[in-house]
Amino acid sequence: QVQLVESGGGLVKPGGSLRLSCEASGFTFTDYYMTWIRQAPGKGLEWVSYIRSSGTSIDYADSVKGRFTISRDNAKNSLYLQMNSLRAEDTAVYYCARVRYDFVWGSPEYYFDYWGQGTLVTVSS
Amino acid sequence: EIVMTQSPATLSVSPGERATLSCRASQSVSSNLAWYQQKPGQAPRLLIYGASSRATGISVRFSGSGSGTDFTLTISSLQSEDFAVYYCQQYKHWPPSFGQGTRLEIK
Repeated sequence: QVQLVESGGGLVKPGGSLRLSCEASGFTFTDYYMTWIRQAPGKGLEWVSYIRSSGTSIDYADSVKGRFTISRDNAKNSLYLQMNSLRAEDTAVYYCARVRYDFVWGSPEYYFDYWGQGTLVTVSS
Repeated sequence: EIVMTQSPATLSVSPGERATLSCRASQSVSSNLAWYQQKPGQAPRLLIYGASSRATGISVRFSGSGSGTDFTLTISSLQSEDFAVYYCQQYKHWPPSFGQGTRLEIK
């Protein structure tokens, strides 16, 4: 069965850095685009970043552009999010999620069919 | 960015009754609309995609409808496990965007 397991969250001071990881299993990781989505405490969902299956195409929400870097290691079935210059407003549970892929049309559909359990990032002094 | 607006913010319904949740897009998203369910302390779970297609393993009590800018999620005969927060998400336009959620609570 599809599993996504995040790790790397924790407490960090404003201006600090953190690297999140997401280990995938139960599907062919190299076939899928992946994404990070976050949820501030008591708030709704916010898309953060995505990466193509090959890693050749990447995008970010404006709120994190220039500070966060998404990457993947297909040999390790793993997705990463390097977060620098962290701010209080980055405090959230961070989920990795799989982007649904339409194998008939050969294109992604940007909704999210499997999610990890999330990892909490708290930015506070 | 497309703004997704869900209503109501909170919906109180008795078990066994039907719940109707609404989602409106700031411009047409065709049928590129998904619904998710989130229970406390859990990750969101995909319920509906393509505005009306149920995801794998989702009960037939969940149905989606609409196209363009106005969408509805209907849950028939509410069970205790259905009380949760529901989010809509459009994926027609970049970047993908979510509504603020509707909390479905027991009346």
